[in-house]
Amino acid sequence: DQQVKQNSPSLSVQEGRISILNCDYTNSMFDYFLWYKKYPAEGPTFLISISSIKDKNEDGRFTVFLNKSAKHLSLHIVPSQPGDSAVYFCAASGTGSARQLTFGSGTQLTVLP
Amino acid sequence: DGGITQSPKYLFRKEGQNVTLSCEQNLNHDAMYWYRQDPGQGLRLIYYSQIVNDFQKGDIAEGYSVSREKKESFPLTVTSAQKNPTAFYLCASSIRTGSLSSSYNEQFFGPGTRLTVL
Repeated sequence: DQQVKQNSPSLSVQEGRISILNCDYTNSMFDYFLWYKKYPAEGPTFLISISSIKDKNEDGRFTVFLNKSAKHLSLHIVPSQPGDSAVYFCAASGTGSARQLTFGSGTQLTVLP
Repeated sequence: DGGITQSPKYLFRKEGQNVTLSCEQNLNHDAMYWYRQDPGQGLRLIYYSQIVNDFQKGDIAEGYSVSREKKESFPLTVTSAQKNPTAFYLCASSIRTGSLSSSYNEQFFGPGTRLTVL
């Protein structure tokens, strides 16, 4: 039973346009959400995060939105650049003492020049 | 430079052999984690350790074992009991959160080891 879902395995966007990556979760105990970016044969790198007490967090070209009532979050990249092409993973952290992360299956973003 | 190292990057083993994957960090992080990634899937947690000499099973621990004798090191052994060991293995670490009031658990990842069992 997947607690964090990324229903779009891939997304293609034209350079300069907005990329919107979506993530849904089912566990209402999750209170912190993170986005990671991953290139092939490399480890994921942290991109941006948001606490459940907020509904928006912005860092440069990256903005994450959280809709708690819908159990949905999204990552917006504006403007998209070819170097943004990678797999993006959504992850959620619960209130357990170890605060393990539960990852979605990822979305492959391709930014076309 | 602080970071997480995993070695080797590519590893080949014959079926039935145990193999140990190395993970070292110099970030002074208390917590360390092992994940595996399969094509088209997210990262699945194998084992994690919050402090030295302590570790817990993750979601898919069967066929794996770990040790945490030093803060900096968290090696993973893939045993012959693991039915489908070929995968990309990722090690991560984070500052120990411990408290329920801690705001986040950002994990830093190593470059990964691609294990192929022939």
